[in-house]
Amino acid sequence: AQSVAQPEDQVNVAEGNPLTVKCTYSVSGNPYLFWYVQYPNRGLQFLLKYITGDNLVKGSYGFEAEFNKSQTSFHLKKPSALVSDSALYFCAVRATTGANNLFFGTGTRLTVIP
Amino acid sequence: GAGVSQSPSNKVTEKGKDVELRCDPISGHTALYWYRQRLGQGLEFLIYFQGNSAPDKSGLPSDRFSAERTGESVSTLTIQRTQQEDSAVYLCASSQGQGWSGELFFGEGSRLTVL
Repeated sequence: AQSVAQPEDQVNVAEGNPLTVKCTYSVSGNPYLFWYVQYPNRGLQFLLKYITGDNLVKGSYGFEAEFNKSQTSFHLKKPSALVSDSALYFCAVRATTGANNLFFGTGTRLTVIP
Repeated sequence: GAGVSQSPSNKVTEKGKDVELRCDPISGHTALYWYRQRLGQGLEFLIYFQGNSAPDKSGLPSDRFSAERTGESVSTLTIQRTQQEDSAVYLCASSQGQGWSGELFFGEGSRLTVL
């Protein structure tokens, strides 16, 4: 069975500092991995995805994520956090090969402190 | 419309009543999803529609939950005999479906409160 884990419910970081939001996965076969963001009073938005190719994936708003097969991780990163990055971040994995639904993690609330 | 539209945005109901939640996907999107987000928890997959194929109902938590979709347009999620544990935000998403990209477009959700 496939799953993703987000070990931190809450991450606090000072504005201008680098940020990391952690995600580990468990899938059979090749993983299709995603990050979504939920800003306050807004719907979830797609940030980036890894399907194949370069292990470092770049997405919207300056975010990037690094796929690490040996550690089964797909951590979200940004070199310099902005207060406006404060939101709820979800890691997700494709259900199974050929399936088109996503399974989401429990979410990590990121707070960027001015 | 420009995005996924859900209605109502808020619904308060009494235990035991039936509720219907509506989703209008992005025009042209063949795939439609329903998820549930309970307070402090992640997204829970409920059901997935892809074109005229049989829906994937594997996430529906009980037979009180059902969903329909008319062609490749509007979908309705129905919860019968609501229970307090059904209180959650119900999220609808759509995607193009063809050449699946994993990029789902979400609505803002319908917040259901069962008293």
